[in-house]
Amino acid sequence: DVKVTQSSRYLVKRTGEKVFLECVQDMDHENMFWYRQDPGLGLRLIYFSYDVKMKEKGDIPEGYSVSREKKERFSLILESASTNQTSMYLCASSSQGVGYTFGSGTRLTVV
Amino acid sequence: RKEVEQDPGPFNVPEGATVAFNCTYSNSASQSFFWYRQDCRKEPKLLMSVYSSGNEDGRFTAQLNRASQYISLLIRDSKLSDSATYLCVVRGNAGNMLTFGGGTRLMVKP
Repeated sequence: DVKVTQSSRYLVKRTGEKVFLECVQDMDHENMFWYRQDPGLGLRLIYFSYDVKMKEKGDIPEGYSVSREKKERFSLILESASTNQTSMYLCASSSQGVGYTFGSGTRLTVV
Repeated sequence: RKEVEQDPGPFNVPEGATVAFNCTYSNSASQSFFWYRQDCRKEPKLLMSVYSSGNEDGRFTAQLNRASQYISLLIRDSKLSDSATYLCVVRGNAGNMLTFGGGTRLMVKP
């Protein structure tokens, strides 16, 4: 089974802090994705990557950046955390032609 | 108009009932279709793919109507453990991007 591991299940950070969310997959998937999920808004795509060192903006990239230095790792960075970034963050990976496998999510609270 | 639309529910049904969810999608060139299940405070997990000819997996039946651009999921003999949110998911004709519906919440009562 594909495993997608997110480094933290719960995080509490202060406004203005730089926050790193890490995601690692163990099945050599080319594609990796970061979503946030909020009640009533569903899953919204923040950034995605189809290859090492490659990144593309999703629907809501503002306030976020990403890094993919190695194929298995895709990091989401909140440059200066704000309270409206309090959310559940979900990482996913996939290979061509198949569905996504999600990590277990990171519930981030910014205070 | 959202790319993938679902009735958010909740659908409240008794154990043993049959329940059906529909989902519509706007991109007629969409290539692949899936249903995902998401339990409360957990990540979405693939429930089943949806094939053009329709497919069944135990108590679950998925159907695709390309002409009308909708997908359905039928659950027979509902169990308490079926209580979850069901996400309709569509892959477009370019790249590997999936588009998620907002989900339909199902609550199965004793």
